[in-house]
Amino acid sequence: AQSVSQHNHHVILSEAASLELGCNYSYGGTVNLFWYVQYPGQHLQLLLKYFSGDPLVKGIKGFEAEFIKSKFSFNLRKPSVQWSDTAEYFCAVNEGTYKYIFGTGTRLKVLA
Amino acid sequence: EAGVVQSPRYKIIEKKQPVAFWCNPISGHNTLYWYLQNLGQGPELLIRYENEEAVDDSQLPKDRFSAERLKGVDSTLKIQPAELGDSAVYLCASSLGRGDYNEQFFGPGTRLTVL
Repeated sequence: AQSVSQHNHHVILSEAASLELGCNYSYGGTVNLFWYVQYPGQHLQLLLKYFSGDPLVKGIKGFEAEFIKSKFSFNLRKPSVQWSDTAEYFCAVNEGTYKYIFGTGTRLKVLA
Repeated sequence: EAGVVQSPRYKIIEKKQPVAFWCNPISGHNTLYWYLQNLGQGPELLIRYENEEAVDDSQLPKDRFSAERLKGVDSTLKIQPAELGDSAVYLCASSLGRGDYNEQFFGPGTRLTVL
């Protein structure tokens, strides 16, 4: 069965530090990839998505992610985090259907 | 434009009691999803509607869970009777189409606590 792994469950960074959150998936075929963010007390929001084309995807708020097919990975990055980036981040995959498979999430805390 | 609306936001009940959650999707979105999110986990799909038809309810525990979307707009998810293990966040999402190339928009969720 398809699965998504987010190995970092909790990450604590100081402001201005660089961020990279790992995401690996198990499906071997064509996939669509997503990163969602959930700020404290708010609903899940789409951060960025990859369907095809340039494997480096730019999202909102300075986030980007790189799809590396050979590594089955879709890691999320931000060069310099801010206190307002404190949130929970979810990676999700679907193989061209409606069904998203979500990772377990990574809680990011940014210290001011 | 209003987002996906869910109510109540929080619900505390005793085990064996019934409970219902309501969802109003974004106007014009004909696909509606109910997800379950346990603590420390990502959302898991319970049921998907295309208009008023439940096209995938394979993950819905049908012995105690039921859902409806009578007019193809609002939806209700019910649990009867609730068990301790049902404590979780229940998320509703909607999309314009089937969701594969259409972004799913999530509501704020209903946090259920079963005592």
